[in-house]
Amino acid sequence: AQKITQTQPGMFVQEKEAVTLDCTYDTSDQSYGLFWYKQPSSGEMIFLIYQGSYDEQNATEGRYSLNFQKARKSANLVISASQLGDSAMYFCAMREGPSSARQLTFGSGTQLTVLP
Amino acid sequence: GAVVSQHPSRVICKSGTSVKIECRSLDFQATTMFWYRQFPKQSLMLMATSNEGSKATYEQGVEKDKFLINHASLTLSTLTVTSAHPEDSSFYICSARSPGANEKLFFGSGTQLSVL
Repeated sequence: AQKITQTQPGMFVQEKEAVTLDCTYDTSDQSYGLFWYKQPSSGEMIFLIYQGSYDEQNATEGRYSLNFQKARKSANLVISASQLGDSAMYFCAMREGPSSARQLTFGSGTQLTVLP
Repeated sequence: GAVVSQHPSRVICKSGTSVKIECRSLDFQATTMFWYRQFPKQSLMLMATSNEGSKATYEQGVEKDKFLINHASLTLSTLTVTSAHPEDSSFYICSARSPGANEKLFFGSGTQLSVL
């Protein structure tokens, strides 16, 4: 089974509007971490936001917020007030287990295009 | 913030030659670094975990003799693609964890390898 599932290969949003990128995950670990990264066409991976499995509140970082629904095993990324520079590939990722030295497993990504 | 430097950003080589890619953590010590491979419009696939002072841990299906990893110091890991062939052409990206409570994994800017 897929560990991380991103069901939207491509998304379009109008500039200044909000957009939600879906991510569901599968793990039997009680302790895990969820990440979102942005990858522009240049290829670099830019960290956006992190949610720990024991965090009770949804993570927020500026215009990014993570809608964490533990029972449904979903960790959707919400981008508010979209900007043209937000156009990029977005990856959801998970680190299983408590050890932060463990690697990340990535979803297949969502290509976001912000329209002027 | 923590920065990971990856070099070179792009390399074109002839089939049969070896290519070395460097990954450096610039302002922190990284006992563990990760090497990923990414095909166009696909997700990042973990190749191996590089541990300072010990042998790398390779993911299933990754040839150890083809992709040599050396983590000789706390700030440098290298990936050498030996006897490269056109099917090795891909985007290679490294990451390192910044120590401490912060869960962030920082990524290098990636290396686009093209084997002719």
